[in-house]
Amino acid sequence: DIQMTQSPSSLSASVGDRVTITCQASQDISTYLNWYQQKPGRAPKLLIYDASNLESGVPSRFSGSGSGTDFTFTISSLQPEDIATYFCQQYDSLPLFGPGTKVDIK
Amino acid sequence: QVQLVESGGGVVQPGRSLTVSCAASGFIFRSYGMHWVRQAPGKGLEWVANIWYDGSYKYYADSVKGRFIISRDNSKNTLFLQMNSLRADDTAVYYCARDRVGGGDSTGFDYWGLGTLVTVSS
Repeated sequence: DIQMTQSPSSLSASVGDRVTITCQASQDISTYLNWYQQKPGRAPKLLIYDASNLESGVPSRFSGSGSGTDFTFTISSLQPEDIATYFCQQYDSLPLFGPGTKVDIK
Repeated sequence: QVQLVESGGGVVQPGRSLTVSCAASGFIFRSYGMHWVRQAPGKGLEWVANIWYDGSYKYYADSVKGRFIISRDNSKNTLFLQMNSLRADDTAVYYCARDRVGGGDSTGFDYWGLGTLVTVSS
């Protein structure tokens, strides 16, 4: 079975900082990876699909890259409204989410 | 606009059954695979089950296989999750979600409902 890991599990950064989250799959999943943002008390929101494609309506400060087993999610300039937990999710096999990364403002 | 509205959550005793529903609107429901995803209090996201656009294929997480049944009524634009033999660790917010690409294979979740809370407790 595929396992998904994310790092870090949490981070604090200042407004305007570049934030990077990594997601690793235990086996090659090509680019079958999505990224979601979940704010407290809200449903998740799709931000990036197929590892690097920005979902319609999502600000361009969000981006994703990677293939195979190693993936990166980046917020180029952190904004206060970006405070949330971010999850990666693979769909090479039955869907599986990573454990999440909680992002706070320093 | 796409809307997914879950209902049917509540408090249920261990070992009992409960069915939650998801009413869909704003898109051609019969053309999209649909999913249930759950989130236990303070925990991460767990995919539960999905069903192809026409109901022909259904897949389940190991944690619910043999206990939960996903189904759909394309004439009523409604998705269901029948949960049997409920356990305390099934306590979660249950979200229905639309697959990003129409058809069958799972590709991700582009629209989500607000969720319905299921609490399994005596």
